[in-house]
Amino acid sequence: AQKVTQAQTEISVVEKEDVTLDCVYETRDTTYYLFWYKQPPSGELVFLIRRNSFDEQNEISGRYSWNFQKSTSSFNFTITASQVVDSAVYFCALSELETGANSKLTFGKGITLSVRP
Amino acid sequence: AAGVIQSPRHLIKEKRETATLKCYPIPRHDTVYWYQQGPGQDPQFLISFYEKMQSDKGSIPDRFSAQQFSDYHSELNMSSLELGDSALYFCASSPGLAGSGETQYFGPGTRLLVL
Repeated sequence: AQKVTQAQTEISVVEKEDVTLDCVYETRDTTYYLFWYKQPPSGELVFLIRRNSFDEQNEISGRYSWNFQKSTSSFNFTITASQVVDSAVYFCALSELETGANSKLTFGKGITLSVRP
Repeated sequence: AAGVIQSPRHLIKEKRETATLKCYPIPRHDTVYWYQQGPGQDPQFLISFYEKMQSDKGSIPDRFSAQQFSDYHSELNMSSLELGDSALYFCASSPGLAGSGETQYFGPGTRLLVL
């Protein structure tokens, strides 16, 4: 069963628009971590954010913000005033600390974000 | 800041050949993970090591083996290569105990092409 669902596959926006990337997860663990990674065209995986299951405090960091809601099992990511350099594939990932041994990451299928000038 | 180092960055092999991928974790990171990412796919967990012992195993073919050495670097050995092994192979490292939910920092990947 898919544990991380990123229903959006491709999003295209014009520069300076705000864009929200959705992530829904499934787990029976009470202790888990959620992550967002960015994969630009060059191919590397860049860590963006990590949240544990006990920390529902949402955060803003520069142009990035995150909305973690346990009630809906969602961990959404928003880019404000998007830029061309934000064009990348964005992966949401889950690490389960009880049923999932040793912190391996389970990734969603990824969302391809294209920001047009 | 030092990052995860992977070598080689690109590798071309023929079917049935053997390949060895190397990973040097961030200093003081004692957990190493290997992932395989096929074209247009999400990364899939292969195997992990903590303090030189295998800590978890995912969908890794029997043709593949890996180990972590005393200096914490890791090698992924792939034998009898198949066309379907063509992928981007990532190594990631994290500090502390495996299973602690620490952030995994990824290397740039090794792009393997099997002809």
